[in-house]
Amino acid sequence: QKEVEQNSGPLSVPEGAIASLNCTYSDRGSQSFFWYRQYSGKSPELIMFIYSNGDKEDGRFTAQLNKASQYVSLLIRDSQPSDSATYLCAVNIPNTGNQFYFGTGTSLTVIP
Amino acid sequence: ETGVTQSPTHLIKTRGQQVTLRCSSQSGHNTVSWYQQALGQGPQFIFQYYREEENGRGNFPPRFSGLQFPNYSSELNVNALELDDSALYLCASSLGLAGGETQYFGPGTRLLVL
Repeated sequence: QKEVEQNSGPLSVPEGAIASLNCTYSDRGSQSFFWYRQYSGKSPELIMFIYSNGDKEDGRFTAQLNKASQYVSLLIRDSQPSDSATYLCAVNIPNTGNQFYFGTGTSLTVIP
Repeated sequence: ETGVTQSPTHLIKTRGQQVTLRCSSQSGHNTVSWYQQALGQGPQFIFQYYREEENGRGNFPPRFSGLQFPNYSSELNVNALELDDSALYLCASSLGLAGGETQYFGPGTRLLVL
């Protein structure tokens, strides 16, 4: 079992719809969870992070964390063509300082 | 812009050669992590440096080595290059080792090994 798993997609949604991206992780000791966006040929850029169970909203983005079920998700409301990218889930590795595991990423295409 | 810089942006080497990649961390950040990202994959952790000391290493052979300097910039060295080393190499800087500090990525160095 991989430490962090994501559906590779591709996920296609129409413009204006809600895109839902999911991530599961294997280490129950993980405490910090991050979503990065990566455009083709570019480096990952941080969208948001979440530490506590529940929802965290930032503009059109909402991160959801459920530690009991070991999943974290990202919702993108009112999806725009500019949201088309690969979304990477990252989880901190417990007892290592600040080392991260990354998933393989989910490719999202927003269709105009 | 994260303030993290990397050089060079692109590099072509041949099998067996050696390469050095460089990273300057964001101002105020004392921790640098290096990742390898193969095409279609997520970043894979290579190692992390905190205040000039290695703080953990991923599943990479010893021919991958690194350094961190007093100004917290860092180098990644790869000896005896193999074709599978072709990838995007990313460095990320963060502040300290408290679990959960956000890591900010540089633009990456794309290495092609022929």
